[in-house]
Amino acid sequence: EVQLVESGGVVVQPGGSLRLSCAASGFTFDDYAMHWVRQAPGKGLEWVSLISWDGGSTYYADSVKGRFTISRDNSKNSLYLQMNSLRAEDTALYYCAKDDGPVRGVIIGNFDYWGQGTLVTVSS
Amino acid sequence: EIVLTQSPATLSLSPGERATLSCRASQSVSSYLAWYQQKPGQAPRLLIYDASNRATGIPARFSGSGSGTDFTLTISSLEPEDFAVYYCQQRSNWPPRVTFGQGTRLEIK
Repeated sequence: EVQLVESGGVVVQPGGSLRLSCAASGFTFDDYAMHWVRQAPGKGLEWVSLISWDGGSTYYADSVKGRFTISRDNSKNSLYLQMNSLRAEDTALYYCAKDDGPVRGVIIGNFDYWGQGTLVTVSS
Repeated sequence: EIVLTQSPATLSLSPGERATLSCRASQSVSSYLAWYQQKPGQAPRLLIYDASNRATGIPARFSGSGSGTDFTLTISSLEPEDFAVYYCQQRSNWPPRVTFGQGTRLEIK
């Protein structure tokens, strides 16, 4: 059974930093690209970032480019999101999600498995 | 950036009725359009990918159609568990980008 478990969400002050983690199991983690998607309270979904299966390619939404860094440790079956210079508008539930592309192939950009999310609140 | 506009914002129907949800793109997305269902307190679930392909385990009452800029998600006969929020989503290949529509809330009438 595929499982994605996010952690690291807390209350942080504006301008602060935070690192989110996502522990993956139930599939061959290093075969697939991974994504972060967020959802502000009561709002819709917003794609944040993606990383290729080998970590060699990363992409970001314009809203977080230059502030967030996605990474992965395939030896630990883990995905990360380093979040710097946090703003109130970054307050959201952050999901990690598996790309439904082929094994070590092109990134598809659809999400076939999701975690339950970790809540980040940016507030003074 | 491609903008996805979903309509209606809220759809009120009864179990057994047919639901038709719309998603319009600001420019062509070919067939790179997916649909997700989200229930309160849960993560989204992939229903349809590439406009018309049902994801694994999705019941046949869910179907998708369209290409270019206009897409439709149809639920042929609503079950009680289908009342939820539905999002469309597009993906662009280069540079890789993903955008979601604002969602349609399907509520019990």
